[in-house]
Amino acid sequence: DQQVKQNSPSLSVQEGRISILNCDYTNSMFDYFLWYKKYPAEGPTFLISISSIKDKNEDGRFTVFLNKSAKHLSLHIVPSQPGDSAVYFCAAKADFGNEKLTFGTGTRLTIIP
Amino acid sequence: EAQVTQNPRYLITVTGKKLTVTCSQNMNHEYMSWYRQDPGLGLRQIYYSMNVEVTDKGDVPEGYKVSRKEKRNFPLILESPSPNQTSLYFCASSYSSSARNEQYFGPGTRLTVT
Repeated sequence: DQQVKQNSPSLSVQEGRISILNCDYTNSMFDYFLWYKKYPAEGPTFLISISSIKDKNEDGRFTVFLNKSAKHLSLHIVPSQPGDSAVYFCAAKADFGNEKLTFGTGTRLTIIP
Repeated sequence: EAQVTQNPRYLITVTGKKLTVTCSQNMNHEYMSWYRQDPGLGLRQIYYSMNVEVTDKGDVPEGYKVSRKEKRNFPLILESPSPNQTSLYFCASSYSSSARNEQYFGPGTRLTVT
């Protein structure tokens, strides 16, 4: 039962354009969402997060949008750069104090120079 | 440098031979966790620890043990490894288990059980 879904296993985007990565979730108890970026042979690194009380959070080139009624979030990267090529994981958490991160299956983003 | 370290990074072993994967963090984090990553399944939590001597099961704890005798260390123990435990393992830590604290991940341990 995949509670966090990333339906696009891969995405290719031209350098300088916008990359949009999508994530859907089913558990209505999730109220905090994170995006992690992973390069080969490295562990995931935290990128950006959003609380359910917000619908947008921005950090430089990265913006995360949350549509709570649709149980959908997206990560926008503008402009996309070659160094953004990586696997991106969406993760969700319920704020019970000791709840785990539930991860999606990841989207491999390739930025074409 | 603040980091989470894991050893070994790569391990090939045989069915039934006990092994331990070590995890250490130097950030004085209370919360530590182990995940495994498998194709098509993302990362799934194996065990977690809220603090010293406090551990609990995650989603896929079968076949694994953990201990938290010191704050900085959280070893993962496979008493009798089986081929279905072939996977990529990540240790993670955070200041606390609060939802607002992102988890920091180690570099991963690729385990193959034959």
